[in-house]
Amino acid sequence: EVQLVESGGGLVQPGGSLRLSCAASGFTFSSYEMNWVRQAPGKGLEWVSYISSSGSTIYYADSVKGRFTISRDNAKNSLYLQMNSLRAEDTAVYYCAREFGANAFDIWGQGTMVTVSS
Amino acid sequence: SYVLTQPPSVSVAPGQTARITCGGNNIGSKSVHWYQQKPGQAPVLVVYDDSDRPSGIPERFSGSNSGNTATLTISRVEAGDEADYYCQVWDSSSDHYVFGTGTKVTVL
Repeated sequence: EVQLVESGGGLVQPGGSLRLSCAASGFTFSSYEMNWVRQAPGKGLEWVSYISSSGSTIYYADSVKGRFTISRDNAKNSLYLQMNSLRAEDTAVYYCAREFGANAFDIWGQGTMVTVSS
Repeated sequence: SYVLTQPPSVSVAPGQTARITCGGNNIGSKSVHWYQQKPGQAPVLVVYDDSDRPSGIPERFSGSNSGNTATLTISRVEAGDEADYYCQVWDSSSDHYVFGTGTKVTVL
């Protein structure tokens, strides 16, 4: 079964750091581009970051650029999001999503909740 | 930055047709993808590349894209179609992915 499972969410104070992980299974992870997408409580979807299959190309949303770092380990079938200098507005469910075709996201994880609060 | 605008809500009776629009500057030149999200669940891709359906998605879901508007059409609406729907594109001018504002579909 093709599956993505996120972990690493939790409660963190403003200015703190957190590292999210996404474990992939059921497909050749190293062949796919991957993304992080987030959703604040009661709000819409917001794209966060993209990484190419090899990790050589990376993009970030303006709202997280300079604070978040996306990476991957193809040997471990894993995707990561290092989040630093966290703010209250980063509070959201974070999803990892597999990309296919013309930039569509065909497989999503169940999400992991990040709460930034003192 | 590129903006995609959707109506906040659409209401439709069972068996009727729901049309959800996604407006963007010259969106007809881009590939548009649509997602369905039910409460407490992850989004699900229902239409990609304007009008293609992933395997397992009913033929009742269809899409079109021209000019400044893309449209997701749900025919013969069922109670199980009640959800939030989002359009999405890749904006090559900014190297950013963009989601629409989202539309809540209510089945009366």
